[in-house]
Amino acid sequence: GNSVTQMEGPVTLSEEAFLTINCTYTATGYPSLFWYVQYPGEGLQLLLKATKADDKGSNKGFEATYRKETTSFHLEKGSVQVSDSAVYFCALSSDSNYQLIWGAGTKLIIKP
Amino acid sequence: DTGVSQDPRHKITKRGQNVTFRCDPISEHNRLYWYRQTLGQGPEFLTYFQNEAQLEKSRLLSDRFSAERPKGSFSTLEIQRTEQGDSAMYLCASNEWDVSSNYGYTFGSGTRLTVV
Repeated sequence: GNSVTQMEGPVTLSEEAFLTINCTYTATGYPSLFWYVQYPGEGLQLLLKATKADDKGSNKGFEATYRKETTSFHLEKGSVQVSDSAVYFCALSSDSNYQLIWGAGTKLIIKP
Repeated sequence: DTGVSQDPRHKITKRGQNVTFRCDPISEHNRLYWYRQTLGQGPEFLTYFQNEAQLEKSRLLSDRFSAERPKGSFSTLEIQRTEQGDSAMYLCASNEWDVSSNYGYTFGSGTRLTVV
């Protein structure tokens, strides 16, 4: 079945450091891939998405590229800020499935 | 449009009581989804509607759970005879879906249920 695997957290970085959060997936067909962010006490917000292979999603300085050959969708940011501290979820939606399949989430802590 | 709204934000109830949550999706969205999220986990799918039709229910959704979307607009999720294991964040999401689109949802802020 479809599944998403994320790197375990928490990930702790200093401000202005480079961020990578790994995400790999297993899916049939051609899924769409997403990164969602959840700030403390809040709901889930769509951060970025990619709907086909080699697409790059980007938003607020975050980027992720849909790599079909490695079944990956790693999240990157060149210079993180304290305000980026949150839990980040990788998810997929297959073309035959209405559901989002979620990773377990990665907590990111940015220290000033 | 103010996005997806959920009410209440927090609910504390005694074990055995019934609770009902409401979700108001984005008005032009035809699909509405309910998910449950426990601490430290990703969301788990519960059920979804296309317009007023409930098209799928997860095996996670026991007989104590029921959801409705009577006019294809807002939705309610009721839990009867609550148990401590029902304590979680209940998330509602919506999107405008057709066969050519497969994009992410817009989530509400969730209703946090605590069963004591």
